[in-house]
Amino acid sequence: AQSVAQPEDQVNVAEGNPLTVKCTYSVSGNPYLFWYVQYPNRGLQFLLKYITGDNLVKGSYGFEAEFNKSQTSFHLKKPSALVSDSALYFCAVRDSVQRDNFNKFYFGSGTKLNVKP
Amino acid sequence: KAGVTQTPRYLIKTRGQQVTLSCSPISGHRSVSWYQQTPGQGLQFLFEYFSETQRNKGNFPGRFSGRQFSNSRSEMNVSTLELGDSALYLCASSLAGFDPGRDIQYFGAGTRLSVL
Repeated sequence: AQSVAQPEDQVNVAEGNPLTVKCTYSVSGNPYLFWYVQYPNRGLQFLLKYITGDNLVKGSYGFEAEFNKSQTSFHLKKPSALVSDSALYFCAVRDSVQRDNFNKFYFGSGTKLNVKP
Repeated sequence: KAGVTQTPRYLIKTRGQQVTLSCSPISGHRSVSWYQQTPGQGLQFLFEYFSETQRNKGNFPGRFSGRQFSNSRSEMNVSTLELGDSALYLCASSLAGFDPGRDIQYFGAGTRLSVL
């Protein structure tokens, strides 16, 4: 069964320090992986995705994510955190095999990122 | 290009009532998916509509239903509301062609439903 795990409910980091938000996944077939961010009282905004190719994917607002097939992980990273990065982050996976679950996304439980000045 | 529009933004209902939420997708997008977001359960997939047909369905009771119109706009209906239905309901639209790896879901701001 497809699933996504975000092991940390909350991540705290000081402004200017690097940040990592963790995500592991389980799918049959090759994964399509996504990161979304949600600000208070807003919907989810797309940050980046991994489909194939280079394991390091660059996205919006200076974020990047590293795909690791052997560890089934897709961690979100940023070299220098900003206070404005404070938000709720969701990892999502979508199976590449077009079966009954076509276009069905599986989301992690979310990780709250707190960046302190 | 306008984004995904959900109306209304806020709703207050009482137990036993029914409610209808609306979602207008991005122009040209043919797929609309609905999610329920709660603090305890995170983001739960409700269903997806494509070309007026329900293509995927999550594990929700039959009280939750939806439909899609020929212009791709979608509505979600919840009948016989329960306290546990209080949540943020998010709609997402995508092209949903047949290249799932390149098709991104774009989300609306959501409708916050409170059941008293």
